[in-house]
Amino acid sequence: DARVTQTPRHKVTEMGQEVTMRCQPILGHNTVFWYRQTMMQGLELLAYFRNRAPLDDSGMPKDRFSAEMPDATLATLKIQPSEPRDSAVYFCASGGGGGNQPQHFGDGTRLSIL
Amino acid sequence: KQEVTQIPAALSVPEGENLVLNCSFTDSAIYNLQWFRQDPGKGLTSLLLIQSSQREQTSGRLNASLDKSSGRSTLYIAASQPGDSATYLCAVNWRTYGGSQGNLIFGKGTKLSVKP
Repeated sequence: DARVTQTPRHKVTEMGQEVTMRCQPILGHNTVFWYRQTMMQGLELLAYFRNRAPLDDSGMPKDRFSAEMPDATLATLKIQPSEPRDSAVYFCASGGGGGNQPQHFGDGTRLSIL
Repeated sequence: KQEVTQIPAALSVPEGENLVLNCSFTDSAIYNLQWFRQDPGKGLTSLLLIQSSQREQTSGRLNASLDKSSGRSTLYIAASQPGDSATYLCAVNWRTYGGSQGNLIFGKGTKLSVKP
C-alpha cells in the first residue's frame, strides 16, 4: 500500500533550536497538507500545497514557521526558533487530483520543545 | 465560522453492540465529509468519504450518512469489536468559489472503547 512517510517520528530539542520535519507524499498525489494536533486545539491546518505551489498558509505563525516543497516527492516544515508552545504532533497528508479524493495521513512527527 | 462538533467526546460500549457516532457542522455548503480513525500514537486512517451529493457510504461494518440540511453526519458501526477501539474523527471540506476549499476542518473526535 502506498503511504505518506514522515521523518523524524520523534524529536526532542531545546527552545531556540531549528526544527525541520520532512514528508514524502504518495507518488502521484498533487496536494500536500501540514496539520498540527494538540490536546487543546485538536487538528489544525498549518499549510496546504497544490502542484507544489502554496495555496494557504494562514494557519502558520509566519515569523517562525516556513513550509516548502522543493520537489514533488518532498515537503518540509521548519520552525526557527522553536518555542515550548510548538510542542505537538505534526501530520502531513496528501491527496490525489480532484476535491473528492480522500486525504491520506502519515504517522506524524511528535515534537517536544524543552 | 466553519466548525465541526463531535459529541460525545468519549463512549464505552460492550462488544457486539451496534453504535452511532455523531458529527455536526455549521454551514451546509460542504464539498465532502470524511470520517477517520486514529489509533494511539498513530496517524489518521481514512474510513469513508461522502460527497455532498451523496446520502450515505458503506464499507464493511461501517455506514456513514450525511444530512446537509440539518448539518449532521453519523457513523454507524455494526457488531462492535474490541479492535474498533480508537478515536473517530469527522472532517469537513467546505465549498469555495471554483470548487472545494481543499483543506479539512476537523472535529475533536469521539474516543470509542469497546469492552470484551
